[in-house]
Amino acid sequence: EAGVVQSPRYKIIEKKQPVAFWCNPISGHNTLYWYLQNLGQGPELLIRYENEEAVDDSQLPKDRFSAERLKGVDSTLKIQPAELGDSAVYLCASSSQGAEQFFGPGTRLTVL
Amino acid sequence: GENVEQHPSTLSVQEGDSAVIKCTYSDSASNYFPWYKQELGKGPQLIIDIRSNVGEKKDQRIAVTLNKTAKHFSLHITETQPEDSAVYFCAASIYNQGGKLIFGQGTELSVKP
Repeated sequence: EAGVVQSPRYKIIEKKQPVAFWCNPISGHNTLYWYLQNLGQGPELLIRYENEEAVDDSQLPKDRFSAERLKGVDSTLKIQPAELGDSAVYLCASSSQGAEQFFGPGTRLTVL
Repeated sequence: GENVEQHPSTLSVQEGDSAVIKCTYSDSASNYFPWYKQELGKGPQLIIDIRSNVGEKKDQRIAVTLNKTAKHFSLHITETQPEDSAVYFCAASIYNQGGKLIFGQGTELSVKP
């Protein structure tokens, strides 16, 4: 069974540019999470989806970040415009009925 | 909200020795405590977890213990091998409420051959 798939794996952009990350969760997993991991720290939740509904986005900086999961499967996380402080690893995870969470490999974003 | 503290931040052991990583949590409502291993350039990998209705769980060389009264839990790795070298994260959440994981700060484990 395939794990959580993320793309791209690496992204380098200049500040003020937009960027988007894509996630395909494990088949059948209805819950999808986006986490932010800064260097040397544990992941922090940005947003959680139950099917296509965002049920916890309290930590998402909504002035520049947005996310969608239109059909309750794949999800996209967008930053516009990116700032230097957004440089981090963006992790996607999925679970079945809110149980064990399985993570993808992450997208490493560098903002110059 | 929940807060998870993890110690030590770095741990170096000789191959074959045991390694212990400790975490404390603050929210007594938390009832699910997973441990993740993260290798360089990869996402966190779930290696073992424990729910608050048990005090200990073991899977081959890995074991986790939980003390609900003291609100702390620990990861024990026996007979360490060089491939155990990685960053380990503890986390806490409320199981089956889709709850977000609150992670500790991580422990960088180095196993020297």
